[in-house]
Amino acid sequence: ELKVEQNPLFLSMQEGKNYTIYCNYSTTSDRLYWYRQDPGKSLESLFVLLSNGAVKQEGRLMASLDTKARLSTLHITAAVHDLSATYFCAVDIKTSGSRLTFGEGTQLTVNP
Amino acid sequence: DGGITQSPKYLFRKEGQNVTLSCEQNLNHDAMYWYRQDPGQGLRLIYYSQIVNDFQKGDIAEGYSVSREKKESFPLTVTSAQKNPTAFYLCASRPGTANTEAFFGQGTRLTVV
Repeated sequence: ELKVEQNPLFLSMQEGKNYTIYCNYSTTSDRLYWYRQDPGKSLESLFVLLSNGAVKQEGRLMASLDTKARLSTLHITAAVHDLSATYFCAVDIKTSGSRLTFGEGTQLTVNP
Repeated sequence: DGGITQSPKYLFRKEGQNVTLSCEQNLNHDAMYWYRQDPGQGLRLIYYSQIVNDFQKGDIAEGYSVSREKKESFPLTVTSAQKNPTAFYLCASRPGTANTEAFFGQGTRLTVV
């Protein structure tokens, strides 16, 4: 059974600081996705990582994938209040068809 | 505009009542999913379907049922057997070939009264 674990689950940081969210998964996969969820809202796709060593960047967010370590990171640079949200990683594996498994989410609060 | 539409946005259910949540997509996606989200929690997979007339149980299928009679539609029925149905329900879809992200509807908030 595929397990996806994120840490930290809660993150409070000051504006202007850097931090990294980690996503570990238990079974070999080369397909990992990051999403953002604002309170009471649906999920918005941020990044799609499809190979070992993949790196994607959008604004102050950068995601990477290390399939050998079964680890993805979401790095936040110079955080701003607008980045406050919950961030989810999700993984699927070829042997499970289209099944998509999510981590527990990291609730990020950026304080002025 | 292409997208995924969930309805209703808010739904109230009496104890012992079955209710059906609608999910429709016009993206021509093969795969569709239902997730449940409890306050402060992650997403748990209820059911998913990769093609019409076929679907698989997820991690928490007990007390739920689905159908996939049309490619565009994947309704979820919350039955009276689901003892704690109050939650936020999210429907998603993606193309049949993997390596693409799933796209989500706006969600249905179900409350038992």
